[in-house]
Amino acid sequence: EPEVTQTPSHQVTQMGQEVILRCVPISNHLYFYWYRQILGQKVEFLVSFYNNEISEKSEIFDDQFSVERPDGSNFTLKIRSTKLEDSAMYFCASGLGANYGYTFGSGTRLTVV
Amino acid sequence: SQQGEEDPQALSIQEGENATMNCSYKTSINNLQWYRQNSGRGLVHLILIRSNEREKHSGRLRVTLDTSKKSSSLLITASRAADTASYFCATEDAGNMLTFGGGTRLMVKP
Repeated sequence: EPEVTQTPSHQVTQMGQEVILRCVPISNHLYFYWYRQILGQKVEFLVSFYNNEISEKSEIFDDQFSVERPDGSNFTLKIRSTKLEDSAMYFCASGLGANYGYTFGSGTRLTVV
Repeated sequence: SQQGEEDPQALSIQEGENATMNCSYKTSINNLQWYRQNSGRGLVHLILIRSNEREKHSGRLRVTLDTSKKSSSLLITASRAADTASYFCATEDAGNMLTFGGGTRLMVKP
């Protein structure tokens, strides 16, 4: 069964450093998402991406965050200057659109120290 | 309460029993989805019910949707120890955005 692949599975970074989280969505999917889950809390929407541009973003997705689909297969989330409160599990998801459901990756656990 | 709230927050049952989890939401939706998450792992899509559907089955899973009450339930029949996980409902709106609830932690004791 096709999978969404995320790398790395765990990243530890110093506060203030830039991190790039990588995702390879399922190849024929059209919609791409990033979500995050702070330990023990809800899964929170960050951003959706369709047709090579951001379609929606949440209040969490401020100027420190950016997304790219640089080569038609990878989908990246960049955090420019990490803060302690960015420590969370970050999930990438992809889908065909409404009413199909979404496939999530296994996540990247980001720890900011 | 926020969009997609589950209850109970935690549920502990014996193997073989049925588990029922409920979800309430506030705004209009295209569909409602249920996901499962094993501890520290990713989210696995279980089942999707469209706003014009009232009930759906998949294996041991049964989902109902009542749009007049803005609520859904997930029933897992004949539970197994391997069903131990957190279960989340998520509503999808017209903008293809998923909003997750807080989840129900299910423990199935062997």
